[in-house]
Amino acid sequence: DIVMTQSPLSLPVTPGEPASISCRSSQSLLYSDGYIYLDWYLQKPGQSPQLLIYLASDRASGVPDRFSGSGSGTDFTLNISRVEAEDVGVYYCMQAVQTPRTFGQGTKLQIK
Amino acid sequence: QVQLQESGPGLVKPSETLSLTCTVSDGSMSTYDWTWIRQPPGKGLEWIGHIYYSGRTDYNTSLKSRVTISLDTSKTELSLRLRSVTAADTAVYFCARGGSSYDFWGQGTLVTVSS
Repeated sequence: DIVMTQSPLSLPVTPGEPASISCRSSQSLLYSDGYIYLDWYLQKPGQSPQLLIYLASDRASGVPDRFSGSGSGTDFTLNISRVEAEDVGVYYCMQAVQTPRTFGQGTKLQIK
Repeated sequence: QVQLQESGPGLVKPSETLSLTCTVSDGSMSTYDWTWIRQPPGKGLEWIGHIYYSGRTDYNTSLKSRVTISLDTSKTELSLRLRSVTAADTAVYFCARGGSSYDFWGQGTLVTVSS
């Protein structure tokens, strides 16, 4: 199984400041079709996870443009250009290049 | 807006079978892949398995011997069966639309395994 490792696990951020979360996979997430199968999800307190980014860098419908994803191969980053109070929650990366799908441990973003 | 709703018993006895269903509001079950994911209390997300619209299934290696996911397209229902449960299977169970990216999720249902 592919192991997904996130850092940091806890991220206190001042509103208006940028934030960055790293995700590393134990194997390349580049599939033979040329796409990179890496998603980012945000689970707000008391809610179901919601899709933020798919295929490493494509924003899901309705996701603000302050969220962006980047990376290739085995190293990926989720960037938030200016954190807002509504961004608090746990962020997960997930690989979808093979089954079983596997998630990172989660990064808890908190407002300072 | 597609809505997914999980349902089933909130309490299951050890060694018995956990059975959940997920209904979809827009009748789109026959045209998408569907996934089950769970989250133990206070912990992270664990992928259980998925079913392609073709009917083919894939399961988590650790659960493969105990889990069955099926699709009843006529009833717009997705089902999960997990046999021989233990306390370690206590979790919130989510259904989600998609096979590789999950754009719609149910609100989740807590299943506690206890005698």
